[in-house]
Amino acid sequence: EIVLTQSPGTLSLSPGERATLSCRASQSVSSSYLAWYQEKPGQAPRLLIYGASLRATGIPDRFSGSGSGTDFTLTISRLEPEDFAVYYCQQYGSSPLTFGGGTKVEIK
Amino acid sequence: EVQLLESGGGLVQPGGSLRLSCAASGFTFSSYGMSWVRQAPGKGLEWVSTISGTGDSTYYADSVKGRFTISRDNSKNTLYLQMNSLRAEDTAVFYCARMKGFWSGRGWFDPWGQGTLVTVSS
Repeated sequence: EIVLTQSPGTLSLSPGERATLSCRASQSVSSSYLAWYQEKPGQAPRLLIYGASLRATGIPDRFSGSGSGTDFTLTISRLEPEDFAVYYCQQYGSSPLTFGGGTKVEIK
Repeated sequence: EVQLLESGGGLVQPGGSLRLSCAASGFTFSSYGMSWVRQAPGKGLEWVSTISGTGDSTYYADSVKGRFTISRDNSKNTLYLQMNSLRAEDTAVFYCARMKGFWSGRGWFDPWGQGTLVTVSS
């Protein structure tokens, strides 16, 4: 099983700042089969990125994904008030499908 | 608009059973793999089970294998999760999600339903 470790656990930033979230895999994720999701309280998770760097439909271009192998990054170029949430990475390169533990982006 | 609406959650005693349903609309249901993902209170996301579009192939997390059964009725555009021998550690919000890029049970989840809470307690 591929274990995904997200860091930091909590990121305290102000609106307008840049957020950099890390997702590290215990072994290589084949073909960059990695996705990122945003979760807000009381709402269903929402797909942001798949294939490590492909934005899902309707996702603003301030969200970008990068990385390969075992190291992946989600970057939010300029935080908007609605971006404060919990973010999860998920790998789908091998079974079982696994998620990281999440990074909370909170208002500083 | 793609919509997924879960139902069937509730309070059940340890060792009991519960069946969750997920009604899908806004897309060709039989063309997509579907999954259940759960989230224990205050915890992260955990994949539970996936079923192919035809229903011929099913996949389970080790934590639920032998206790949970995923199924679908494509004539009713509905996904199910039969949960038996429930344990306290199964307490979670259960989400249904459409699978994208689906192959051999693998893919990403888009979109997700709003979830239904399952509480296992005496």
